[in-house]
Amino acid sequence: GAVVSQHPSRVICKSGTSVKIECRSLDFQATTMFWYRQFPKQSLMLMATSNEGSKATYEQGVEKDKFLINHASLTLSTLTVTSAHPEDSSFYICSASSYSGRADEQFFGPGTRLTVL
Amino acid sequence: SQQGEEDPQALSIQEGENATMNCSYKTSINNLQWYRQNSGRGLVHLILIRSNEREKHSGRLRVTLDTSKKSSSLLITASRAADTASYFCATADTNAGKSTFGDGTTLTVKP
Repeated sequence: GAVVSQHPSRVICKSGTSVKIECRSLDFQATTMFWYRQFPKQSLMLMATSNEGSKATYEQGVEKDKFLINHASLTLSTLTVTSAHPEDSSFYICSASSYSGRADEQFFGPGTRLTVL
Repeated sequence: SQQGEEDPQALSIQEGENATMNCSYKTSINNLQWYRQNSGRGLVHLILIRSNEREKHSGRLRVTLDTSKKSSSLLITASRAADTASYFCATADTNAGKSTFGDGTTLTVKP
């Protein structure tokens, strides 16, 4: 299957700082990328959908000014958690699809564990 | 509640036995997918079944879809200890614009 990478794999930061997470599709062009958040022993919750060159579409209840998403190229999307607080600590997972605007057969990254102290 | 509810929440079996997990959903779908997640890792795509399909096989995996009952099942035959993981179903809406994940089933296969 297609390969999606995330960087960093884990990050620990102080409350109030901003953290950037990168999601890259290594061997295909990801027209659409999805960002999910997963709390311990829970399912994945979709945060936002981003299409290359367009503004991200955020799910209800997700603050777009807090979770900044940029999808500037067909192989890279970034999620920046601004002014992170302990309640933002979670496992953040991206996925990529080569189908424009479609969630068919998403390829997932390995996830980034964020811990905010 | 979230579209895509799974049962059981947890399943513990012996190696060699079969494991069956079920997923129910609420709205019309374009397709349904099953994923596997090892602890602390990303998701691995297992099978996609479209709304006009009833059954699909892949190796030791068998997936069924009943759109009239809005339910799907994942059967893992001849389970192995390495199958220990969490399994999630995800439904793509009719525009397949996004997927909604179920709560997942945690499978433990004892050697």
